[in-house]
Amino acid sequence: QSVLTQPPSVSAAPGQRISISCSGSTSNIGNNFVSWYQQPPGAAPKLLIYDNNKRPSGIPDRFSGSKSGTSATLGITGLQTGDEADYYCGTWDNSLNIGVFGGGTKLTVL
Amino acid sequence: QVTLRESGPALVKPTETLTLTCTFSGFSLITSGVCVSWIRQPPGKALEWLARIDWDDDKYYSPSLRTRLSISKDPYRNQVVLRMTNMNPVDTATYYCARTTDSYDSGGSYRSWFDPWGQGTLVTVSS
Repeated sequence: QSVLTQPPSVSAAPGQRISISCSGSTSNIGNNFVSWYQQPPGAAPKLLIYDNNKRPSGIPDRFSGSKSGTSATLGITGLQTGDEADYYCGTWDNSLNIGVFGGGTKLTVL
Repeated sequence: QVTLRESGPALVKPTETLTLTCTFSGFSLITSGVCVSWIRQPPGKALEWLARIDWDDDKYYSPSLRTRLSISKDPYRNQVVLRMTNMNPVDTATYYCARTTDSYDSGGSYRSWFDPWGQGTLVTVSS
């Protein structure tokens, strides 16, 4: 059972916009920065968003992140078939003193 | 260019001890704020954070696995080693290491993310 809660799956047509939620608590998301990771099938995870809403070099601006209170959201616009992957949110938990992840969300581009 | 690579046995028997090595390049584990974490992923399941070692040798472990895990570093050989005792078939997973940041913003919020990740190594526990 993951500390952070994500929807198991989301789907949309090419070109559309989706958002993926990540819910936590004051001991993690509420007081720390959130990062997001993209994991295509059979590949290692890759950093997509850090510090709630910053994109590493090379990540297109179709990907965005936001945080409010104890929840965070990943947004993807202009969906492409290449965006099909599992997406994970992550942060640090101050009570457990460990890194924590969400359970992952599988994105299907129909 | 920052890279990490995991190495270790692909198959271990139940009750054995697993030793995994993360060999990295492009950064130093002596630099303030730099850490290396281990994360695993059972087949078809979610990511699970395991352990982290910091530049100043602070160590953190998953509470559920604390008694079985040990993490160490050799910063001069650019390696981090994870040991997990008493392996069980439920420990079958792909094990990743990742460079990890460690800092606070001016408001006291903790900043930490994993980038980049190694390619991962699949460890199967079976007799």
